[in-house]
Amino acid sequence: ETGVTQTPRHLVMGMTNKKSLKCEQHLGHNAMYWYKQSAKKPLELMFVYSLEERVENNSVPSRFSPECPNSSHLFLHLHTLQPEDSALYLCASSQDWGQGYSPLHFGNGTRLTVT
Amino acid sequence: DQQVKQNSPSLSVQEGRISILNCDYTNSMFDYFLWYKKYPAEGPTFLISISSIKDKNEDGRFTVFLNKSAKHLSLHIVPSQPGDSAVYFCAAYTNAGKSTFGDGTTLTVKP
Repeated sequence: ETGVTQTPRHLVMGMTNKKSLKCEQHLGHNAMYWYKQSAKKPLELMFVYSLEERVENNSVPSRFSPECPNSSHLFLHLHTLQPEDSALYLCASSQDWGQGYSPLHFGNGTRLTVT
Repeated sequence: DQQVKQNSPSLSVQEGRISILNCDYTNSMFDYFLWYKKYPAEGPTFLISISSIKDKNEDGRFTVFLNKSAKHLSLHIVPSQPGDSAVYFCAAYTNAGKSTFGDGTTLTVKP
């Protein structure tokens, strides 16, 4: 399988649940990202990992917890979310971060609904 | 303060005609710009880019124009095809690699 793969595609969770989103890239890229896309809002960068080190954390609430165990895998752990966290969560990768302008390769996203 | 704006949420054109999608930015530190295309139920895919040292970049039916003095860029698609119907996002990068996306414009190309 090639590209960037996200699972699950859809997730419905209650506010007291704990769940995780998974992302895997098969492109040999060094940087991985989590973005949030809410209705009628631009893509919001949440986290960036470069060579497995977190390099960006854009004031994201602590109920979102990223994990990057290796350069191919990225997780977003979710707990005690709010209904306003319902959105499309997109994972992306790029060849590098902070060095030039590597286009992002996105997964198809996880549509999250918090009830 | 939204630094990258796509002021037209939607655009509808006839097949074969030109589609022009616009993007304005406010941060003069942006020096690289990309356009992404997104189909429903899929992630965005990279389409075309332009560096601030250029004012035009062309790739087949797609051309991006950059007007630095006006802080404006546009994507031209000619001729437009029904398969071009999608949401188009512009993204601006600083030289530190930080990107900012616009809201997106939904293009509909009618047969």
